[in-house]
Amino acid sequence: EIVLTQSPGTLSLSPGERATLSCRASQSVSSSYLAWYQQKPGQAPRLLIYGASSRPTGIPDRFSGSGSGTDFTLTISRLEPEDFAVYYCQQYGSSPQTFGGGTKVEIK
Amino acid sequence: QLQLQESGSGLVKPSQTLSLTCAVSGGSISSGGYSWSWIRQPPGKGLEWIGYIFHSGSTYYNPSLKSRVAISVDRSKNQFSLKLSSVTAADTAVYYCASFMVRGPFDYWGQGALVTVSS
Repeated sequence: EIVLTQSPGTLSLSPGERATLSCRASQSVSSSYLAWYQQKPGQAPRLLIYGASSRPTGIPDRFSGSGSGTDFTLTISRLEPEDFAVYYCQQYGSSPQTFGGGTKVEIK
Repeated sequence: QLQLQESGSGLVKPSQTLSLTCAVSGGSISSGGYSWSWIRQPPGKGLEWIGYIFHSGSTYYNPSLKSRVAISVDRSKNQFSLKLSSVTAADTAVYYCASFMVRGPFDYWGQGALVTVSS
């Protein structure tokens, strides 16, 4: 099973600042099958990034993903008030699919 | 655009079987190449993949739950279901259903259903 470790656990930032979230895998993620999700309280996760760097239709371009192998990054270029949430990475290239423990982006 | 909606018992006694259904609208469960999954999230914790059923009907389960899980599809009702047997308090969680394309991420999610295991 691939273990995903997200860091930091909590990120305290102000609106307009840049957020950099890390996801490290215990072994290489097959074909960059790495996704990022955003979750707000009481809501289901929302897909932000898939294939490590692709955005689904409707996701703002301030969200970007990068990385390969075992190290992946989600960057939010300029935080908007609605971006304060918990973010999870997920690998879907190997079974069982696994999620990271999450990074909470909170208002400073 | 697909819409998914979970339903089922919100309270289950220990040792009994948890049963949830996910109704799919906006598309046929049998077409489009979609497959179907269940994911859960204990209160205040992270996400855990439970299992999925492929478009072909094949099922795959998380090894940690495999002995207790069954996922099935009812094509006539355009829905799929989860059964988790011999539940304990550790199975208390919000259960989400989700869709995905083969080798793809979970793109559409239900709003989630809280299931509490308690006597």
